[in-house]
Amino acid sequence: AQSVTQLDSQVPVFEEAPVELRCNYSSSVSVYLFWYVQYPNQGLQLLLKYLSGSTLVKGINGFEAEFNKSQTSFHLRKPSVHISDTAEYFCAVRKDTGRRALTFGSGTRLQVQP
Amino acid sequence: DTAVSQTPKYLVTQMGNDKSIKCEQNLGHDTMYWYKQDSKKFLKIMFSYNNKELIINETVPNRFSPKSPDKAHLNLHINSLELGDSAVYFCASSQDKHHSGNTIYFGEGSWLTVV
Repeated sequence: AQSVTQLDSQVPVFEEAPVELRCNYSSSVSVYLFWYVQYPNQGLQLLLKYLSGSTLVKGINGFEAEFNKSQTSFHLRKPSVHISDTAEYFCAVRKDTGRRALTFGSGTRLQVQP
Repeated sequence: DTAVSQTPKYLVTQMGNDKSIKCEQNLGHDTMYWYKQDSKKFLKIMFSYNNKELIINETVPNRFSPKSPDKAHLNLHINSLELGDSAVYFCASSQDKHHSGNTIYFGEGSWLTVV
C-alpha cells in the first residue's frame, strides 16, 4: 500500500516570499508523484507530476518540485508567491501498475498574506 | 467546454432520502472515478470504472452504488442518506490504457449536505 504525508497542515507566508510545501511518501512499489491545487469551492487542478527522468519538475503558475528517491520526498516550491496562490495543495502518488487510483496526502493550506 | 462535469454542484437533502450525482467526461478517457472529500479536506477514492467495468471498490457502505451506462458517464447513487454522508464528492477521469502516469482530471465537485 502507498501513503503520503504532508507535514504541514497550514503554511502562512507573506506575498513575494519563497515557499516550500513538504511531501513524503511510502510505497513498496514504483509510483508516480503528483501535486494538485484546490482553490476555494473548486475542483482539483494538476500543478505538476513526476514520472521519470530529471528529478526537478516544473509546473504551472511558477511552481516546481524535486523528487528525492533516497528521502522519498517530493517537496513543492515557489520562489515568490502571490495572493492568488492562496489555496489547498495536495500531494499524491499513483502506482505504475495494477490498482491505479491516486492516494492523496492530507493537504497543506497555503495562506499568502499581503 | 468543461472536461469533467458533474451535477448538481450543491445538494441539501434530508436524512433517509435517496439522491444521485451525475458525471460526464468529454475527454474520451477510459477510466472514471469517484472521490470523497470530508470536512477536513481529506480525499479518498471510492470507486473506479474502466470501460464500464468496476475495478476499484473501496470500503464504502453498500448504500453507495455507482453506475456507468457508458465510458463517458459515471453516476453515483446514494440510498438512505445519513448525516455522515455530508461531504464533497468529486468525479474524475483519466486515460489509463497504456500508462498510469497520465493526468487524472477532476470535476468541480458536488457539495452534499444531509440535514
